[in-house]
Amino acid sequence: KAGVTQTPRYLIKTRGQQVTLSCSPISGHRSVSWYQQTPGQGLQFLFEYFSETQRNKGNFPGRFSGRQFSNSRSEMNVSTLELGDSALYLCASSSGLAGGLGTDTQYFGPGTRLTVL
Amino acid sequence: DQQVKQNSPSLSVQEGRISILNCDYTNSMFDYFLWYKKYPAEGPTFLISISSIKDKNEDGRFTVFLNKSAKHLSLHIVPSQPGDSAVYFCAATGYSTLTFGKGTMLLVSP
Repeated sequence: KAGVTQTPRYLIKTRGQQVTLSCSPISGHRSVSWYQQTPGQGLQFLFEYFSETQRNKGNFPGRFSGRQFSNSRSEMNVSTLELGDSALYLCASSSGLAGGLGTDTQYFGPGTRLTVL
Repeated sequence: DQQVKQNSPSLSVQEGRISILNCDYTNSMFDYFLWYKKYPAEGPTFLISISSIKDKNEDGRFTVFLNKSAKHLSLHIVPSQPGDSAVYFCAATGYSTLTFGKGTMLLVSP
């Protein structure tokens, strides 16, 4: 089975711009979760999508949004970029059938490294 | 407010010895706990998990212990191998939240 893929792997943007990141889950998985990893805050949960609906949401401002398509691929969008948005953005896929976040085994992609200048 | 804490940023052990990684949590609503391993330039990889109804779960060389009264969990790796060198994250979930610790870097030397 192919793993979770994320594109692009690296991205450089300037403050005020917006960015869209893409995640393709493992075939058959219906849940995609997004995480932000920074040296200061560690790994933080952004949101989870299951069957095209946002099922769970972390504590991030509305500038961070996402969506999921019928083929389970997901995109994450960050608008009005700030310097503090520089981070590694990880997505993870799972079957999502257990319902509770994290109780299904999550498989992570390699991440997208976003740098905001 | 850090709800999941890994107080040791790093740990060094010799090959063949036991590695013990610790994690503390504050939220009593957490009922499922996980450990992930992360190599540089890769995403985290699930290692082992434990439900709050258990106090121990084993999978090969990896054992996770949960002490609910102390709100503490630990990951034991026996015997440690150089390939275990990585950053280890503990995580806790309360159904709709998933919170990670900041990680402990484990270095296993030959």
